[in-house]
Amino acid sequence: KAGVTQTPRYLIKTRGQQVTLSCSPISGHRSVSWYQQTPGQGLQFLFEYFSETQRNKGNFPGRFSGRQFSNSRSEMNVSTLELGDSALYLCASSLQREYGEQFFGPGTRLTVL
Amino acid sequence: KNEVEQSPQNLTAQEGEFITINCSYSVGISALHWLQQHPGGGIVSLFMLSSGKKKHGRLIATINIQEKHSSLHITASHPRDSAVYICAVMPNYGGSQGNLIFGKGTKLSVKP
Repeated sequence: KAGVTQTPRYLIKTRGQQVTLSCSPISGHRSVSWYQQTPGQGLQFLFEYFSETQRNKGNFPGRFSGRQFSNSRSEMNVSTLELGDSALYLCASSLQREYGEQFFGPGTRLTVL
Repeated sequence: KNEVEQSPQNLTAQEGEFITINCSYSVGISALHWLQQHPGGGIVSLFMLSSGKKKHGRLIATINIQEKHSSLHITASHPRDSAVYICAVMPNYGGSQGNLIFGKGTKLSVKP
């Protein structure tokens, strides 16, 4: 069974631009969560989707948004990029919404110049 | 104060040593995860615990819900165990699987 895939793996953008990151969960998994990892803040929860609905959102500004499609693939978008958005963005999928093990993708490393 | 605290932050061990990493948390939880992150970023889920103890190979994880504390043990450590180990808790409020709260991680280096 293929693991969680994320595209692109690396991305360089400039301030003010917007970016879209993609996550394909493990087949059959309906829950997808997104996380941001920075050296200063560590790992932080962005949002979680289940069956195309955002179920929970972390403490991030409205510039961060996401969606999930009917095939469970998910995208996250960051508009008006700031230097501080440079980070590793990870998604994780889970078979169950509650108490299920999360399987992480390799991440997308975003650099904002 | 962080809701999830790990200790130590950094750990250097000689190959073969027994290693313990600790995690304390301050919120009510549904489950606790131990994650491993190698250089390059990939994260692997090692354990998910809601009570008691789990063992997988040379790794053992325990949790004491009353004391809000968990430990990850590595027996007969090996250089390939060198990684960052991250404790994450799923709070029992909010009702969502994805809302993990993470510790800052413990960077383990095992010398041959």
